[in-house]
Amino acid sequence: AQTVTQSQPEMSVQEAETVTLSCTYDTSESNYYLFWYKQPPSRQMILVIRQEAYKQQNATENRFSVNFQKAAKSFSLKISDSQLGDTAMYFCAFRLASGTYKYIFGTGTRLKVLA
Amino acid sequence: GAGVSQSPSNKVTEKGKDVELRCDPISGHTALYWYRQSLGQGLEFLIYFQGNSAPDKSGLPSDRFSAERTGGSVSTLTIQRTQQEDSAVYLCASSLGLAGGGEQFFGPGTRLTVL
Repeated sequence: AQTVTQSQPEMSVQEAETVTLSCTYDTSESNYYLFWYKQPPSRQMILVIRQEAYKQQNATENRFSVNFQKAAKSFSLKISDSQLGDTAMYFCAFRLASGTYKYIFGTGTRLKVLA
Repeated sequence: GAGVSQSPSNKVTEKGKDVELRCDPISGHTALYWYRQSLGQGLEFLIYFQGNSAPDKSGLPSDRFSAERTGGSVSTLTIQRTQQEDSAVYLCASSLGLAGGGEQFFGPGTRLTVL
């Protein structure tokens, strides 16, 4: 069975600084997808960034980038130039590329950006 | 509509009553997911649909929980004989398909309170 672990329940960062959120996962499969989702205080979840396991290149989306270490089963999210609007819960998620398409989510990291 | 909608937004019920939660996915999205989010917790997968079929319902906590999807569109999650531990936010998400690890679009959720 797959598991996703986020070991940082809460973090804070000063505006304009950089912060890294950690995520580790466990699977015996080789083909899968990893995601970071953001849930602002208004509750609606949105996708931040996605990584295909077969791609060695780390995904980037503007100020958001990941450090994907397949052998270590690690998938961290780096937020550069943090903004007040980045304040939210961040969830790491895993999904197989075949078989069952259910998503496994971590317990989340609450990030607060300080002015 | 432009996004995933869920109704009701809030539901308060008495222990032992049945409740129905509704999800309207984005038009054309063939995949639909239900999740449960308890206070301060991550997302717990319940079930997903591809069209009207539910290939994986392994996350349903008990036989009091059921879900259906009709016409490849609207889905209803039914909880029978509600218990206090069913209190949570129930989130629905849809995606264009299942292949390729496509983005899930989340609804605002239904907050269920069982007294």
